[in-house]
Amino acid sequence: AQSVSQHNHHVILSEAASLELGCNYSYGGTVNLFWYVQYPGQHLQLLLKYFSGDPLVKGIKGFEAEFIKSKFSFNLRKPSVQWSDTAEYFCAVKEASGYSTLTFGKGTMLLVSP
Amino acid sequence: NAGVTQTPKFQVLKTGQSMTLQCAQDMNHEYMSWYRQDPGMGLRLIHYSVGAGITDQGEVPNGYNVSRSTTEDFPLRLLSAAPSQTSVYFCASSYRTAGDEQYFGPGTRLTVT
Repeated sequence: AQSVSQHNHHVILSEAASLELGCNYSYGGTVNLFWYVQYPGQHLQLLLKYFSGDPLVKGIKGFEAEFIKSKFSFNLRKPSVQWSDTAEYFCAVKEASGYSTLTFGKGTMLLVSP
Repeated sequence: NAGVTQTPKFQVLKTGQSMTLQCAQDMNHEYMSWYRQDPGMGLRLIHYSVGAGITDQGEVPNGYNVSRSTTEDFPLRLLSAAPSQTSVYFCASSYRTAGDEQYFGPGTRLTVT
């Protein structure tokens, strides 16, 4: 079974700082990769996903992530964070074939101070 | 569309009690799942269903039961509540598989004393 590791449990940044959240997974085969976000008091929602093709994927609200197959990584980035980006971010992975399930990382809580 | 709805929002149970957490979706999604979210543990899959009449276990199924008699509904039953089941429970649905965008409900915060 695959596992997902998120390196930072808590990140504190000032507005306009750049963000990079690390995510590594353990499965050796073809995978689908996701970042979900949970804003305070809101539902989890999809930020972006990677299935195939260009390893640099763009999501909502200016976020992007890069898939590096050789490093089993799918790091989330944003050039300049805003206070409204304060949220918990979850990386998730699914084996690409059929009805395999989604495995989530433990999450990274991002606090952006104004 | 209401999306994914969950009831109740909050619940307190005593050890040994049973209850059902309700989940419904109005998007005609085939895939539905239940997760629990605990501090520092992320989301862990309890049970999932790929369609009406088909369910399977996830990572942490012990102490929970599910059924899927209709496409819309996917209730989660706690058979005999234990303090270790204190958690926030999320239901999610997607078009066909776990690889499709998951739509999450608002969650149920359960405390077992």
